[in-house]
Amino acid sequence: AQSVTQLDSQVPVFEEAPVELRCNYSSSVSVYLFWYVQYPNQGLQLLLKYLSGSTLVKGINGFEAEFNKSQTSFHLRKPSVHISDTAEYFCAVRSPGSGTYKYIFGTGTRLKVLA
Amino acid sequence: DGGITQSPKYLFRKEGQNVTLSCEQNLNHDAMYWYRQDPGQGLRLIYYSQIVNDFQKGDIAEGYSVSREKKESFPLTVTSAQKNPTAFYLCASSRQGAPRDEQFFGPGTRLTVL
Repeated sequence: AQSVTQLDSQVPVFEEAPVELRCNYSSSVSVYLFWYVQYPNQGLQLLLKYLSGSTLVKGINGFEAEFNKSQTSFHLRKPSVHISDTAEYFCAVRSPGSGTYKYIFGTGTRLKVLA
Repeated sequence: DGGITQSPKYLFRKEGQNVTLSCEQNLNHDAMYWYRQDPGQGLRLIYYSQIVNDFQKGDIAEGYSVSREKKESFPLTVTSAQKNPTAFYLCASSRQGAPRDEQFFGPGTRLTVL
């Protein structure tokens, strides 16, 4: 069965420092990959997605992610974080051939930006 | 503007009561989903529906029920059989037959059992 692993449950980082949030998935077939952000007591918003083509994907709010097929990873990065980036981030995967159209989510990484 | 609405935002329930959470979308999406979110556990799929009058159990359907009588609406009932219903509930939708598309999420309902 498809699974997504976000190894870091919490990541503290100082303002204006770079950050990387890790995501690994288990699949030997092609997948679609997504990163979402959730602010406290709100729903999830799409940051970016990888479908095919260029392995570097740029999203909103200055975030980007790199798809690495050999490592089965899709890590999220931002070169300089702001206090407003404090939120929970979820990685998700979908297999186009799965037939169920289910999205599989990781357990989330809580990013805490410190002043 | 198109989007998903969930109501109420906060809901309090006494033990033994059934409660229904509302989810409405005007995105013209065929597929709709209900997730439960608990701290440190991410999103767990309760039910999903790919078309009107049809729905499938997700990973944690016990103690929950749904209906899909209209394309726009996918209400979730938390029954008294659900032993630990206190959680944040999220509704989502997506286009059917479009696996490249992301899901769109509502703002959530926080259910607390007193």
